Amino acid sequence: EVQLQESGPGLVKPSQSLSLTCSVTGYSITSNYWGWIRKFPGNKMEWIGHISYSGSTSYNPSLKSRISITRDTSKNQFFLQLNSVTTEDTATYYCARWGGAFDYWGQGVMVTVSS
Amino acid sequence: DVVMTQTPPSLSVAIGQSVSISCKSSQSLVYSDGKTYLHWLLQSPGRSPKRLIYQVSNLGSGVPDRFSGTGSQKDFTLKISRVEAEDLGVYYCAQTTHFPNTFGAGTKLELK
Repeated sequence: EVQLQESGPGLVKPSQSLSLTCSVTGYSITSNYWGWIRKFPGNKMEWIGHISYSGSTSYNPSLKSRISITRDTSKNQFFLQLNSVTTEDTATYYCARWGGAFDYWGQGVMVTVSS
Repeated sequence: DVVMTQTPPSLSVAIGQSVSISCKSSQSLVYSDGKTYLHWLLQSPGRSPKRLIYQVSNLGSGVPDRFSGTGSQKDFTLKISRVEAEDLGVYYCAQTTHFPNTFGAGTKLELK
C-alpha cells in the first residue's frame, strides 16, 4: 500500500525558511509525480508544485521565486523548501501522489509562521 | 490561473437524501490528449483529503457507487445518492489540466 508521511517543524519565524520532508513507502518516487499542496485556515487549497519521476519540477508561479522541491531517491523521500515565509504561509501542508490525480495523501503537517 | 467556481458553499442534508455539487471552470479542462483532468476530493473532519472521482467520472478505488461525476468542458457535477453519515465533510473539485493546478473553494456537507 502506498503511504506518505510529512515531517517538519510546526513553527517557523517570519523571514526564515520552511523545510518539510515527505517519506513515501510502498511505491518508488522514481515512478509517477509527487506534489505538495497546502490548505489555509478556512477551506482554501493551493497547489504548491510537484516533482516528476525524473526529478523535473513544476511550481506554482505565485510561489516560484520562493520554493524548491527536491528529492532523495535513496531514501524514497521528497522535500519542500519555502523561503522568506510570512504569516500568510501559515497552513496545513500535505504531500500527495500528483500523478494519480491526488490518489494518495499524507496526514498533513500544520505549520504556523509566527515570531 | 483557471478559476474553479464551486456551488453551493454549504449543504445541509438528511441521511438518505441525494445532493449535487456544481463546479464550473473559467477555461475548458480538456487537455491536448483529449482527456479532461477534473477530479473530486472529500476532506472528512480530522482527515486528509481523499480522492473520490478522477477525470470527471471515474470512481476511485474503494469509493462507493453512491458517488457519481458528470460534465464536460467547463461544467461539472458531483452527485451523492443516499447520503450517509460518513459522507460529511468538505468536497473540492480540482483541475490538473492547466498549470498552476487549482481547486474549488469547497462545499461543506453537514447533517440537517
